[in-house]
Amino acid sequence: QKEVEQNSGPLSVPEGAIASLNCTYSDRVSQSFFWYRQYSGKSPELIMSIYSNGDKEDGRFTAQLNKASQYVSLLIRDSQPSDSATYLCAVSLFSGGYNKLIFGAGTRLAVHP
Amino acid sequence: EAGVAQSPRYKIIEKRQSVAFWCNPISGHATLYWYQQILGQGPKLLIQFQNNGVVDDSQLPKDRFSAERLKGVDSTLKIQPAKLEDSAVYLCASSTRTSGRETDTQYFGPGTRLTVL
Repeated sequence: QKEVEQNSGPLSVPEGAIASLNCTYSDRVSQSFFWYRQYSGKSPELIMSIYSNGDKEDGRFTAQLNKASQYVSLLIRDSQPSDSATYLCAVSLFSGGYNKLIFGAGTRLAVHP
Repeated sequence: EAGVAQSPRYKIIEKRQSVAFWCNPISGHATLYWYQQILGQGPKLLIQFQNNGVVDDSQLPKDRFSAERLKGVDSTLKIQPAKLEDSAVYLCASSTRTSGRETDTQYFGPGTRLTVL
């Protein structure tokens, strides 16, 4: 079983709609969860982090975490063509006194006008 | 604040040749990471430095890959000899936190795209 799983997509949504991106993880003791956006040919950039169960909102982005179900999601409201990118879910793994991030393969989002 | 710098941006080599990548992290960042990102996959951690010491290199193919971080600042990643399957983007990232359970934000450099022919 992969440590972090995401649907590879593409997820296609019309402009102005809500895009919903999902991620599941296998390590029950993970404490920190991140969503990175990666445009084609570019490096990942952090858009959201979440540490506690529930929702965390930042502008058009909402991250949702359910540790019992080992599930984290990202909602993008009022999707814009500029949101078209690959969204990487990353989960922290604490080992040997240090944290390291385990990334999913990413979900490709396409927002069409 | 200057970001993470990497060079070169692109490199094309033939298999069995050697190659080296350089990374300069954000000033003051104690932790430095090297990732390998193969097309269509997420970044995979190769090695993590805390200052100039290695804290995780469990996924580094040590028979061909090596990395060092002299003086706890710049870092180099070397591949010798390269194989076709090493074709990927090599990302360097840095963060401030030194240890503990909380995970600090990692800032990524632009990456080096390696093509092995």
